Amino acid sequence: KAGVTQTPRYLIKTRGQQVTLSCSPISGHRSVSWYQQTPGQGLQFLFEYFSETQRNKGNFPGRFSGRQFSNSRSEMNVSTLELGDSALYLCASSSQEWGQTSYEQYFGPGTRLTVT
Amino acid sequence: AQTVTQSQPEMSVQEAETVTLSCTYDTSESDYYLFWYKQPPSRQMILVIRQEAYKQQNATENRFSVNFQKAAKSFSLKISDSQLGDAAMYFCAYLGGGTSYGKLTFGQGTILTVHP
Repeated sequence: KAGVTQTPRYLIKTRGQQVTLSCSPISGHRSVSWYQQTPGQGLQFLFEYFSETQRNKGNFPGRFSGRQFSNSRSEMNVSTLELGDSALYLCASSSQEWGQTSYEQYFGPGTRLTVT
Repeated sequence: AQTVTQSQPEMSVQEAETVTLSCTYDTSESDYYLFWYKQPPSRQMILVIRQEAYKQQNATENRFSVNFQKAAKSFSLKISDSQLGDAAMYFCAYLGGGTSYGKLTFGQGTILTVHP
């Protein structure tokens, strides 16, 4: 199976702009989680989607939003970008199917966002 | 809230030797999962090993094994016969049961250097 893919891999944006990042999970996986990784804060959970529903959300401002489509692909959007939003954004997929105990998450290569 | 602590910011090991990375966590849950992830310079997060809290037997994956002490809330990773390719940042991660959908809580990470 193909792994988790994320596009684009690199982005440079200006303060005040908005950005959309995309994540395609492993085929058959219906859960997608998003994380922000920065040198200062480490890895922080943004949100999780399963079957087009947001089931869990981290402590991020409302400028960070996401959605999931019927094919399990997910997007996250950051509006009114700030310098502090510069980070590596990682998505991960998991099967989370009923009756299975494989809750491990498989990560994509990440999108490196730089806000200037 | 659950917390994960990795008290060793950096560790080093000689090739072919054994090294142990430490991780402690705090939780009031009885059902959860623990993971070790590896992040090489490419920034791709790679799952190394997982442990279900309800299992008493320590998980093993080839040269990687864990020492899971549930009462002490300790989850250390042992790497045997270290190889140059093991050099990376290692993250300990916690996944709760119940409604903690898709939320991995990570430690701060341990940078592992392997000397030839």
